[in-house]
Amino acid sequence: DQQVKQNSPSLSVQEGRISILNCDYTNSMFDYFLWYKKYPAEGPTFLISISSIKDKNEDGRFTVFLNKSAKHLSLHIVPSQPGDSAVYFCAASDVQGGSEKLVFGKGTKLTVNP
Amino acid sequence: DVKVTQSSRYLVKRTGEKVFLECVQDMDHENMFWYRQDPGLGLRLIYFSYDVKMKEKGDIPEGYSVSREKKERFSLILESASTNQTSMYLCASSLNSLDGYTFGSGTRLTVV
Repeated sequence: DQQVKQNSPSLSVQEGRISILNCDYTNSMFDYFLWYKKYPAEGPTFLISISSIKDKNEDGRFTVFLNKSAKHLSLHIVPSQPGDSAVYFCAASDVQGGSEKLVFGKGTKLTVNP
Repeated sequence: DVKVTQSSRYLVKRTGEKVFLECVQDMDHENMFWYRQDPGLGLRLIYFSYDVKMKEKGDIPEGYSVSREKKERFSLILESASTNQTSMYLCASSLNSLDGYTFGSGTRLTVV
């Protein structure tokens, strides 16, 4: 059963506009969330994170919002640039039995058109 | 900067071969992970290790094993490669998940 869901496999936006990538999770015990960005033929790179004690975290053009009651988070990119075109993965920190690992969604492929 | 190095970028192996994928990190991280990435399926955890000689199964361990004899090295072993193991394999390391993972560049394995 998928615990982290990214229901949009792809998203296309115009350069300069806002990109909004969504992520839902089912496990209410998750308390830390991260976004990763992946270009083809490269490993994912860490983008931004948020703890459950916050509802917003901002880093330059990237902002992550967390709605705990809805078990939903979103990544906003403003303004979007062609270089942002990549696959974005949402991840949640899962701590079980003393070991900690990240659970990833299936990813959303973002295309920013010039 | 933490560096995670995967020994091969591209690999082609025959069905039934034993395959070793090597991963080395240079920042003394406790935790290391092996994922595979497939279109439409995202990143799926195969195995992880939180200490030398320790290993834990992830979500899809079948057909794989791992070895962690030294802290910096985590090997993924395909005991008898099959065509459904054709995939992009990603190794990662971390101090803890709050710091995020550092991923290697990946190994594109094709089993023919």
